[in-house]
Amino acid sequence: QVQLVQSGAEVKKPGASVKVSCKASGYTFTNYYMHWVRQAPGQGLEWMGMIDPSGGSTMIAQKFQDRVTVTRATSTSTVNMELSSLRSEDTAVYYCARDREPGSTSPGYWGQGTLVTVSS
Amino acid sequence: QSVLTQPPSVSGAPGQRVTISCTGTSSNIGAGYNVHWYQQLPGTPPKLLIYGNSNRPSGVPDRFSGSKSGASASLAITGLQPEDEADYYCQSYDSSLSVVFGGGTKLTVL
Repeated sequence: QVQLVQSGAEVKKPGASVKVSCKASGYTFTNYYMHWVRQAPGQGLEWMGMIDPSGGSTMIAQKFQDRVTVTRATSTSTVNMELSSLRSEDTAVYYCARDREPGSTSPGYWGQGTLVTVSS
Repeated sequence: QSVLTQPPSVSGAPGQRVTISCTGTSSNIGAGYNVHWYQQLPGTPPKLLIYGNSNRPSGVPDRFSGSKSGASASLAITGLQPEDEADYYCQSYDSSLSVVFGGGTKLTVL
């Protein structure tokens, strides 16, 4: 079965960077786009970007284009999301989510979420 | 400010029918892109509820249905049950090359 297992919670200081990983299993890793979505406390879902694991091409939301890098390692079926220049407003749960079917842009399988806390 | 507009809250008594609207623009839903719906229970990741405007993944009860018309979409829940109390989000794609979500709707079962 499809499983997405994310790295553990992080606490970072303002200005620092954080890298969240998402290890996929149970399917052919290169066949499905992977998305990153975040949710600030008590707030809604915010799409950050996605990666095509087959070639590594990415699409990043305009809001995050200068701060987010998404990469993949096909050898370990892992996708990483790095967010730089952290500020308090980046405190959120970060989810990786796989397309339900190839190219659907509808995340059908979600990781458990990773809480990133930005605090001085 | 979310790209897709949803009502902040809706409510209904057990057994009743409720609908949640999702309004977009000519650059997303109105451009013909599919709408998908997610249910999020407290403290858990979102769960795909409806995909491709009106399709249910296996395991989703047929009490949940979706529709789309023009630049808007709706999620309907019939035979409301206490366990349906959750946050619901619509999602589509925008011609600005971006996945977009609605702001979310909190469903309260009275």
